[in-house]
Amino acid sequence: EAQVTQNPRYLITVTGKKLTVTCSQNMNHEYMSWYRQDPGLGLRQIYYSMNVEVTDKGDVPEGYKVSRKEKRNFPLILESPSPNQTSLYFCASRRTGPYEQYFGPGTRLTVT
Amino acid sequence: GIQVEQSPPDLILQEGANSTLRCNFSDSVNNLQWFHQNPWGQLINLFYIPSGTKQNGRLSATTVATERYSLLYISSSQTTDSGVYFCAVMNTGNQFYFGTGTSLTVIP
Repeated sequence: EAQVTQNPRYLITVTGKKLTVTCSQNMNHEYMSWYRQDPGLGLRQIYYSMNVEVTDKGDVPEGYKVSRKEKRNFPLILESPSPNQTSLYFCASRRTGPYEQYFGPGTRLTVT
Repeated sequence: GIQVEQSPPDLILQEGANSTLRCNFSDSVNNLQWFHQNPWGQLINLFYIPSGTKQNGRLSATTVATERYSLLYISSSQTTDSGVYFCAVMNTGNQFYFGTGTSLTVIP
C-alpha cells in the first residue's frame, strides 16, 4: 500500500532532550516536507526537500533540523526541544511536478 | 510568502444541506489542493486542482487561477463530512502555504 509513515505517533518529552521523528514513504517521491499544525494557525511548513541531499527552509525552520540521505526517508530532528514546539507534526511527500501531496498520520509532540 | 484566506471559518449545517467553501490566495500558484482533516486528525486529499473544475461524488471544486480563488462545493452533506477543510497552495519556489481552514459541523 502506498503510504507515508511517521514514528512515533505520540511523544511526551522534556525540555532539552534531543529527539528525532522519522518519516518514510514508499512511493519513490522526490519531494518530502515537514509541517506543524497549531490551533488557529493551520499548517505551516518547517522544511522541505526536493531530492536526496537537497533541503530548504520553510516558513518556521527555527529549532529544527532535517536530513535527506535516502530518497525514502526524511527525519525531523529537534536538538533541544522547548515547550513552544509542542504541536502536531505532519510529514508529506509528492512527485516533482504537477502532482498532489500525500500526508502521513501525524505525530503529536508534547514538550514539558 | 503567499497569504491564503479561507471562508467561512466555521460552518454548521443540517444534514442534507449544500455548502460552498472559499479559498483566496495572494499570488500565482503552481499547485492547489483541498484537504479534509477528520476528527481523528487525518489529512485526506480531496482535490488536486491548480485550475479548472473537478467532481468526485458529492464534492466538486473549481479554481480560477487568474482571479486567485478556489471553491469547494459540498452537496447533500452528511455527518461524516464534519471536520476541517484546508486549502493549500504552492509557490514557484516549491513552498507550500495553508489556509487556517473551515471547520464544518454537520448535524443530523
